[in-house]
This record gives sequence, C-alpha cells and structure tokens, in this order.
Amino acid sequence: QQQVKQSPQSLIVQKGGISIINCAYENTAFDYFPWYQQFPGKGPALLIAIRPDVSEKKEGRFTISFNKSAKQFSLHIMDSQPGDSATYFCAARVNTGRRALTFGSGTRLQVQP
Amino acid sequence: GAVVSQHPSRVICKSGTSVKIECRSLDFQATTMFWYRQFPKQSLMLMATSNEGSKATYEQGVEKDKFLINHASLTLSTLTVTSAHPEDSSFYICSARGPRDRGPSSGANVLTFGAGSRLTVL
Repeated sequence: QQQVKQSPQSLIVQKGGISIINCAYENTAFDYFPWYQQFPGKGPALLIAIRPDVSEKKEGRFTISFNKSAKQFSLHIMDSQPGDSATYFCAARVNTGRRALTFGSGTRLQVQP
Repeated sequence: GAVVSQHPSRVICKSGTSVKIECRSLDFQATTMFWYRQFPKQSLMLMATSNEGSKATYEQGVEKDKFLINHASLTLSTLTVTSAHPEDSSFYICSARGPRDRGPSSGANVLTFGAGSRLTVL
C-alpha cells in the first residue's frame, strides 16, 4: 500500500515557468512533510518541509502548500531554472517510533532553457 | 550544516562476495541512521533503521542475515551485503537524523542523506 502518492511522474517546464508537483497521503498520523531534491547519482537533499499546523511555507523560489482536510500537499517552484532539473520526492513522517520517512514515487522535472 | 559521508560511492563485486558500505555523520552524532535502497528511476525504499548500541530494525521483506547492519558508534553505521547476487545491484543510501533546523526543516531534526553507494554485482 503506497502511503504517499505523488504526481506527475514527469514534468517539463519552460525556463521562468512554475513547476507544480502534488502529493497525497492517507495516514493521518503523519505530522511532518518534507520535499527532497535528487540529482542523478547523488543522495536526496532537503529542500523545504512543512508541519500540518500551517497551510503554506516559502523558502526562496520554493513554496509548499498544505491542505490538511484534503490530505494533500504540493511543491511550487517559481521562476524555474534549468538547474532545477532533477527528481523531486515528497515524503511524510509519523512523529512516533522510528520516525522514518515514507517517500513518494518521485517526479522527474526537466526545465527547458 | 549537517554532513553525512558515505563510502564507497561505487563498488563492483563478484557474485557470492560480501560488500561493506560505511555511513558517517561528520559533524554531529546520530543515534539513529536509516538505510534506503533505490532502484533506477524509482523511489527510496526503507530497508532498516540502525540504532547505536542495539540491533537494527528491519522493514518487512528485508533479510537481516543478508543485509547486516552495525551501528557501533554515534557517528558510524555500516551495511554489509553478504553473499551478494546480481539482484542485489542497486543504489544504497544512508541517512542520519541531524540537529533541528528552524529554516527549511520547520524546526524538525533534519534527515540528511549520504551521496549513496552504487553496488554492481557481476
């Protein structure tokens, strides 16, 4: 059972455009939702994260929108640049036990110059 | 910020041999480290949770006798793939829970990942 569903699988955006990646979850015990960026052959790197007590968080060109009632959250990349081309993973974590991250399936973003 | 070093980055071995991968937290202590496995163009799948000074906790379906995990100190966890087979070829990534971050991480302990280890079993 996939606990975090991510879409789209791949995304092509023109330079300067807005990239939007969506995730949905089922486990209401999740209380922490990070987004990771991964370049080929490298480990994931934390971009931005949000807790369910806020509906939006912004870090530079990256914004997370969070809808608790719908159990959905999304990543918006404003003014997308070719250097943003990478695979993006949403994730979620329960704040008990091992507190390991459960990852979405990933979105391959390509920003065309 | 927190740095996790993983070594080796690439390893090629013959079928039947064992391979050890090291994961070190360079500037912080990590009582808990996580080992993930990633197949090409797929997501990260949690294999096990490594606990300093105690036995690792394995996810369902992961063979603990095949993937030996040792977390002997607060800065080092190792994953040993024993009697490797071609189907064990994958990208193995470790992560460690670092200090809290008031910025991007919204005040949570940041889970920092190593650069990964590409294992190819011939």
